[in-house]
Amino acid sequence: GQQLNQSPQSMFIQEGEDVSMNCTSSSIFNTWLWYKQEPGEGPVLLIALYKAGELTSNGRLTAQFGITRKDSFLNISASIPSDVGIYFCAGPGGSQGNLIFGKGTKLSVKP
Amino acid sequence: KAGVTQTPRYLIKTRGQQVTLSCSPISGHRSVSWYQQTPGQGLQFLFEYFSETQRNKGNFPGRFSGRQFSNSRSEMNVSTLELGDSALYLCASSFSGAWTDTQYFGPGTRLTVL
Repeated sequence: GQQLNQSPQSMFIQEGEDVSMNCTSSSIFNTWLWYKQEPGEGPVLLIALYKAGELTSNGRLTAQFGITRKDSFLNISASIPSDVGIYFCAGPGGSQGNLIFGKGTKLSVKP
Repeated sequence: KAGVTQTPRYLIKTRGQQVTLSCSPISGHRSVSWYQQTPGQGLQFLFEYFSETQRNKGNFPGRFSGRQFSNSRSEMNVSTLELGDSALYLCASSFSGAWTDTQYFGPGTRLTVL
């Protein structure tokens, strides 16, 4: 079945640093989604990408839909302590209401 | 606009028991999806309901079932609980379940099976 491989698994960075994470798949996706989950909460959508090559920003977050449609990247600039959480990439699972998720990148930010 | 709500937030059960979890979607959303989140397997799709009908199901045993009511509220049921069913169960609602619709997640129900 479809799988999303996300890396790195975890990151420990200093406040103010930039962060980069990525997601790859062996199959083509028509949509790439980036979610963030904080402790005790459900995932929250950060950025949605619908077109190959698309580059979209949401504040300090920038995500790109890879040209091959098999990968996507999320960058966070000038990280702050509230960026802490788990970042998931996701894509349509082939049926309504079905999303496939990567295993997540756990981000820790040291003040 | 109120978000997705899930009740209860925490549950402790013993093996062999059954459990029912509830999800109230965002007003106007007719699609409700359920996911299981565990440290080992991550987030996995359980099933999706739209207009009181299960349209799609993930790769889970028949012990996992659900239903949706006419007001779009949904319940999921797990029978004959096993230790491996311990997980965070998340529901998400969207307008129609289409891949272009944003799924909004609730805070989840943390189920512990002893």
